[in-house]
Amino acid sequence: ETGVTQSPTHLIKTRGQQVTLRCSSQSGHNTVSWYQQALGQGPQFIFQYYREEENGRGNFPPRFSGLQFPNYSSELNVNALELDDSALYLCASSLKRGGYTDTQYFGPGTRLTVL
Amino acid sequence: AQKVTQAQTEISVVEKEDVTLDCVYETRDTTYYLFWYKQPPSGELVFLIRRNSFDEQNEISGRYSWNFQKSTSSFNFTITASQVVDSAVYFCALSEAGPNNAGNMLTFGGGTRLMVKP
Repeated sequence: ETGVTQSPTHLIKTRGQQVTLRCSSQSGHNTVSWYQQALGQGPQFIFQYYREEENGRGNFPPRFSGLQFPNYSSELNVNALELDDSALYLCASSLKRGGYTDTQYFGPGTRLTVL
Repeated sequence: AQKVTQAQTEISVVEKEDVTLDCVYETRDTTYYLFWYKQPPSGELVFLIRRNSFDEQNEISGRYSWNFQKSTSSFNFTITASQVVDSAVYFCALSEAGPNNAGNMLTFGGGTRLMVKP
């Protein structure tokens, strides 16, 4: 069984640029959630994708957007990067059945540095 | 709104000591789920346990045990006979199952950094 994978592992961008992070979900999972983890803090929910549509969003501005593909993989896009966007971005995959999303399993994360 | 508090930011113990990590949560839902995740220096969050709000039975898995008490809104985690490999940041998380939590997001506490010294 393949676990959750993310790419790239590290990324350095400058303020104002745009970035795309990628996530492949675990085999058998149909839902992908994205979290932002600033240094020394707990992860914060950005949004979740299910059936290729956004299915819940945390307190993040519209410049954070995403996609989910038919194979359940996902992208996180951030436009107009700000210094505060520097963080570890974690992707989690899970199985959504009925009205609830099962346990979320996390990938290794992408460390984004904005200069 | 859901909230998780981990009051202990950092704990240091010597190998073989027992250690308890505290977690207190707030929620208005009657149906919710509680989790513990481990984050080693590599950064990946490793799932440890999930409990639902209707199951207050304590659970033991090897050297790990969890004490869930709805009366005090706590879900504490104990490591018995700690080892150096247990050194990591541990996160407690809550997910409400009601309709107000679209996406069934996890709300994490701030984490507790555990350092186990040889």
